[in-house]
Amino acid sequence: QKEVEQNSGPLSVPEGAIASLNCTYSDRGSQSFFWYRQYSGKSPELIMSIYSNGDKEDGRFTAQLNKASQYVSLLIRDSQPSDSATYLCAVNIFANDYKLSFGAGTTVTVRA
Amino acid sequence: DAGITQSPRYKITETGRQVTLMCHQTWSHSYMFWYRQDLGHGLRLIYYSAAADITDKGEVPDGYVVSRSKTENFPLTLESATRSQTSVYFCASSESPLEQFFGPGTRLTVL
Repeated sequence: QKEVEQNSGPLSVPEGAIASLNCTYSDRGSQSFFWYRQYSGKSPELIMSIYSNGDKEDGRFTAQLNKASQYVSLLIRDSQPSDSATYLCAVNIFANDYKLSFGAGTTVTVRA
Repeated sequence: DAGITQSPRYKITETGRQVTLMCHQTWSHSYMFWYRQDLGHGLRLIYYSAAADITDKGEVPDGYVVSRSKTENFPLTLESATRSQTSVYFCASSESPLEQFFGPGTRLTVL
């Protein structure tokens, strides 16, 4: 089992819709969770971090964390063509470590 | 300019040659990381460093060497390049230590 798994894409959504991205992780001891956005040919960019169960909102982005289910998600509301990118879920697998494990990514395409 | 830079941005080399990829950050972040990104594998950690003169292996360290004599620099050396090391290499740094910020990447092709 991979340490971090993301729902396979690509995900295509119409402009203005909600894009929902999911990520599961294998270690119950994980404490820190991140979402990165990566445009084609560019480097990953940190867009959200979440450490506690529940929701965290930042503009049009909402991260949701459920540690009991080992599940973290990212919602993109009012999707825009500029949101078209690959989204990477990252988790620190070991609670006392600062290394991150990344999922393979989900590619989102927002169609006008 | 402040931030994290990588050089070269593109490199073509031949099998067996030694190659060094440079990473420089101006934030004085303690932690620095080297990843490679390949289709089908995502981002994989090669080496990381918690401070100057402290380095440790990541998930895929074989064939790579790192050093960190200064906080701001973290070079990655491929001792004898192989075709399987053709990849995009990203350097990252962080202070938090988990919120990592990535450099622009180096696209390496080994012929």
